[in-house]
Amino acid sequence: AQSVTQLGSHVSVSEGALVLLRCNYSSSVPPYLFWYVQYPNQGLQLLLKYTTGATLVKGINGFEAEFKKSETSFHLTKPSAHMSDAAEYFCAVSVNSGNTPLVFGKGTRLSVIA
Amino acid sequence: GAVVSQHPSRVICKSGTSVKIECRSLDFQATTMFWYRQFPKKSLMLMATSNEGSKATYEQGVEKDKFLINHASLTLSTLTVTSAHPEDSSFYICGRVEQSRGYTFGSGTRLTVV
Repeated sequence: AQSVTQLGSHVSVSEGALVLLRCNYSSSVPPYLFWYVQYPNQGLQLLLKYTTGATLVKGINGFEAEFKKSETSFHLTKPSAHMSDAAEYFCAVSVNSGNTPLVFGKGTRLSVIA
Repeated sequence: GAVVSQHPSRVICKSGTSVKIECRSLDFQATTMFWYRQFPKKSLMLMATSNEGSKATYEQGVEKDKFLINHASLTLSTLTVTSAHPEDSSFYICGRVEQSRGYTFGSGTRLTVV
């Protein structure tokens, strides 16, 4: 079975500071990894995903994540936080993008302080 | 525009009544769709996998008779919360997966049972 663990249910950063949201995964087979963002009372927006190939993945809104197999990690980063980045972020895993559902982490709420 | 249309976005119902939530795949025929439930400040918990033309596959602990899932066509899956009670109040999100497109989610439905 696959699972993800997001370290820190709440992260607070100053505007302009580095954003680092941590995600570790567990999978018995090569995983597909995803980061989603959710704004209040809205659905999920895909930020980026890793399937195969380059381990550094660039996504939307300046976010990127690096797949590190040795550390079973897929941490999300952004060099400079913007007020509009304040939201809930979910890391998710699947074994492939066939008909298997995504398994989500518990989420990390990002607050950006002016 | 949204390729997974979820309706309604918000619904308030009286305790004991049933509520139907629709999830439509607008741009391709989705043989498999997923239903998630999100408690306040919690992660998305997979409720069931909806398969067109066959019975849904429910996750452990999800009441099949309470949360009826129907996937009668390749573009529509419905979740009916039967005899709703206040504890069923939650945010429900549907999603689908396709090999080339990956995972796509609806905008969610906020159910409030009073």
